[in-house]
Amino acid sequence: ETGVTQSPTHLIKTRGQQVTLRCSSQSGHNTVSWYQQALGQGPQFIFQYYREEENGRGNFPPRFSGLQFPNYSSELNVNALELDDSALYLCASSPDPGLATGELFFGEGSRLTVL
Amino acid sequence: QKEVEQDPGPLSVPEGAIVSLNCTYSNSAFQYFMWYRQYSRKGPELLMYTYSSGNKEDGRFTAQVDKSSKYISLFIRDSQPSDSATYLCAMSFTNNAGNMLTFGGGTRLMVKP
Repeated sequence: ETGVTQSPTHLIKTRGQQVTLRCSSQSGHNTVSWYQQALGQGPQFIFQYYREEENGRGNFPPRFSGLQFPNYSSELNVNALELDDSALYLCASSPDPGLATGELFFGEGSRLTVL
Repeated sequence: QKEVEQDPGPLSVPEGAIVSLNCTYSNSAFQYFMWYRQYSRKGPELLMYTYSSGNKEDGRFTAQVDKSSKYISLFIRDSQPSDSATYLCAMSFTNNAGNMLTFGGGTRLMVKP
């Protein structure tokens, strides 16, 4: 059973650019969530995808968007990068979109630095 | 004011000590309460979850929830150097956005041999 994998692990962008981060969910999991974790902070919920549709969103602007593919993998896209977007971006998968028990399986994250 | 508050630490204890980690929260609608452990350069991993008020024990770890005080705790007995990590509390509602967790800021724990 493979876990959640994310790519790239590290990347550097400049302000105003666009970035795409990728996530492969754990085998058998149909739901993917994305979180942003700034340095020294806890993760913040960006959005969740289930059956290729966004079905929950946190307090993030529209320039944060995502996709989920038929194989349940997912992408996070961020347009018009700002310095404050520098963070660790975590992908988490789960077997159920309504799972309230926190049984999310996180990847190791993609660390984005915006200069 | 953040919805979930957590003392950032760092908390430094000797090996074998009992560790107490705590979070307070403001939203009484939270129903599920979790503790995650995050090692450096890794993603969070779920340690324990509890539903509503009460205690739950798993090996050296005990989670407590006091909804009347909006206060949750994680106790680690016989702490080990391998327990050195950042501990994150998280909470969720019982609705369709069940995977939307609200995290505290994390407490960094260091267990010294």
